Amino acid sequence: EAGVAQSPRYKIIEKRQSVAFWCNPISGHATLYWYQQILGQGPKLLIQFQNNGVVDDSQLPKDRFSAERLKGVDSTLKIQPAKLEDSAVYLCASEQSRGPDTGELFFGEGSRLTVL
Amino acid sequence: DAKTTQPPSMDCAEGRAANLPCNHSTISGNEYVYWYRQIHSQGPQYIIHGLKNNETNEMASLIITEDRKSSTLILPHATLRDTAVYYCIVRVQNFGNEKLTFGTGTRLTIIP
Repeated sequence: EAGVAQSPRYKIIEKRQSVAFWCNPISGHATLYWYQQILGQGPKLLIQFQNNGVVDDSQLPKDRFSAERLKGVDSTLKIQPAKLEDSAVYLCASEQSRGPDTGELFFGEGSRLTVL
Repeated sequence: DAKTTQPPSMDCAEGRAANLPCNHSTISGNEYVYWYRQIHSQGPQYIIHGLKNNETNEMASLIITEDRKSSTLILPHATLRDTAVYYCIVRVQNFGNEKLTFGTGTRLTIIP
């Protein structure tokens, strides 16, 4: 079974530039998450999709971050304009429909962003 | 905010059992306890979860106290590959709206 795919793995940009990250979840997984992980910290949820609808985006800095999940499959996370504090690893995860015996998130390897 | 408390770091000798504690004194009756780990430069990996009863799988065992206010993850025979950050998370099990909130975890180092 193929895992969660993310690209690019690494990106270096200057502040005020824009960047986009792509995620392809495991086939059939209805729920998709984007997390931001700053060095030395645990992952922080940015946005959660259920199919192609947004369930939770309360911690997404909407003035600069945007995300979409077209057709309930792939997802793109965009940052425009980037700030120095956006330097982090951006993790995508997917999950099958929920139930009492599920709840396992599958994570991609992440996209590491460095803002100079 | 994370609803769990974990020690920031622990060491364990290779081949011994690693016992990682977690306090979740404010856990609700419908919240499960989840454990994930994150090996350096990789995304987090699910290990195990449970509600009330002790659970065991091929990776680990989860022991939850009777009052559910704390739990212990046990790696029975630790290897060097078990060196990672381990996250204990509580989460309501429902059908679509509950997020997984990570804290800072325990950095486990397996000593050769």
